[in-house]
Amino acid sequence: GDSVTQMEGPVTLSEEAFLTINCTYTATGYPSLFWYVQYPGEGLQLLLKATKADDKGSNKGFEATYRKETTSFHLEKGSVQVSDSAVYFCALNGDYKLSFGAGTTVTVRA
Amino acid sequence: NAGVTQTPKFQVLKTGQSMTLQCAQDMNHNSMYWYRQDPGMGLRLIYYSASEGTTDKGEVPNGYNVSRLNKREFSLRLESAAPSQTSVYFCASTPRGWGESSYEQYFGPGTRLTVT
Repeated sequence: GDSVTQMEGPVTLSEEAFLTINCTYTATGYPSLFWYVQYPGEGLQLLLKATKADDKGSNKGFEATYRKETTSFHLEKGSVQVSDSAVYFCALNGDYKLSFGAGTTVTVRA
Repeated sequence: NAGVTQTPKFQVLKTGQSMTLQCAQDMNHNSMYWYRQDPGMGLRLIYYSASEGTTDKGEVPNGYNVSRLNKREFSLRLESAAPSQTSVYFCASTPRGWGESSYEQYFGPGTRLTVT
């Protein structure tokens, strides 16, 4: 079945550091891929998405590229801020259902 | 636009008690979902409803029942709560219909449930 594996956290960074969170997937067919973000005490919000191979999703300075050849969708941001502290989830959209990774907790220190 | 709303926000139950978690969306979405979130396990799908009048089991349906009351509302019922059901429960919806995979899901704020 469909599954998503993302790097384990927690990740702690200083402001303006570079952030990468690795995500790989297993799926039949050609799923859409998503990154969701969960701020403390809140529900999940869509951060970005890509619907086909080589698509790049971007939002709020975050980027991720759908790589079919490596079945990956790594999240990157060039210069993080304290406000980026959150839990990040990689997900794929198969037949009617989202499959989520376990989540990566990111803490950015001033 | 309220989006996806959930009630209650917090609940404490004793083992064996029952309760219903309510979810409603005002975006005219077709599909609705219930997830539970536990530390280190991401979100796991409990039940989903691909359209009004249909419901299907997800990964962890045992101990739960659902009702898709109408297009807007999708409730989750715990008939006899157990401590293992202590979790944060999220409802979500998506506009997608049959064969549409590109739409994201919109999440409610969650219900924090503790079973003692």
